[in-house]
Amino acid sequence: GAVVSQHPSRVICKSGTSVKIECRSLDFQATTMFWYRQFPKQSLMLMATSNEGSKATYEQGVEKDKFLINHASLTLSTLTVTSAHPEDSSFYICSAGRTGGTQYFGPGTRLLVL
Amino acid sequence: AQSVTQLDSHVSVSEGTPVLLRCNYSSSYSPSLFWYVQHPNKGLQLLLKYTSAATLVKGINGFEAEFKKSETSFHLTKPSAHMSDAAEYFCVVSDVRAAGNKLTFGGGTRVLVKP
Repeated sequence: GAVVSQHPSRVICKSGTSVKIECRSLDFQATTMFWYRQFPKQSLMLMATSNEGSKATYEQGVEKDKFLINHASLTLSTLTVTSAHPEDSSFYICSAGRTGGTQYFGPGTRLLVL
Repeated sequence: AQSVTQLDSHVSVSEGTPVLLRCNYSSSYSPSLFWYVQHPNKGLQLLLKYTSAATLVKGINGFEAEFKKSETSFHLTKPSAHMSDAAEYFCVVSDVRAAGNKLTFGGGTRVLVKP
């Protein structure tokens, strides 16, 4: 299957700082990428749809000014958690879609805000 | 609108016995359906997908699922569980006409395999 990478895999930061997470599709071009958030023992919640060359589309209840998404190329999307607080601690997962609808998921990034 | 219900939040089986994970979906059109597996602190791996071809879909690691439109179900089965099957499993629906490229996830089923 297709390969999607995320970096970093784990990050610990102080409250009030910003954290950038990268999502790369390594062997195909993805015009659309998706960002999810997963709390412990829960399912994935879609945060936003990242569109190459245009603004991201955010799901209801997700603050676009807090979770900045940039999709500058067909293989890279970034999620920046601005002014992170402890309640932002979570597992963040990205995915990239191929033609036919199958999405391939990155390995996830564990964020811990102290 | 589209939605997915996984009927069991936890399933416990003995190694070597069959596994059944139940999933019901709701979609206004003709959906694509997926099963993904997630091991602890890992991303999601695609097990199999249904996209309006054969209703019985075979996936990786001996898993298969059957699409039953009349029952709006897409249950996942494996004839003989292995210890490495212990993980979280997600049933997912996608309907381009209903929701574009968005996926809708079920709540997940945690599988425990006893030796």
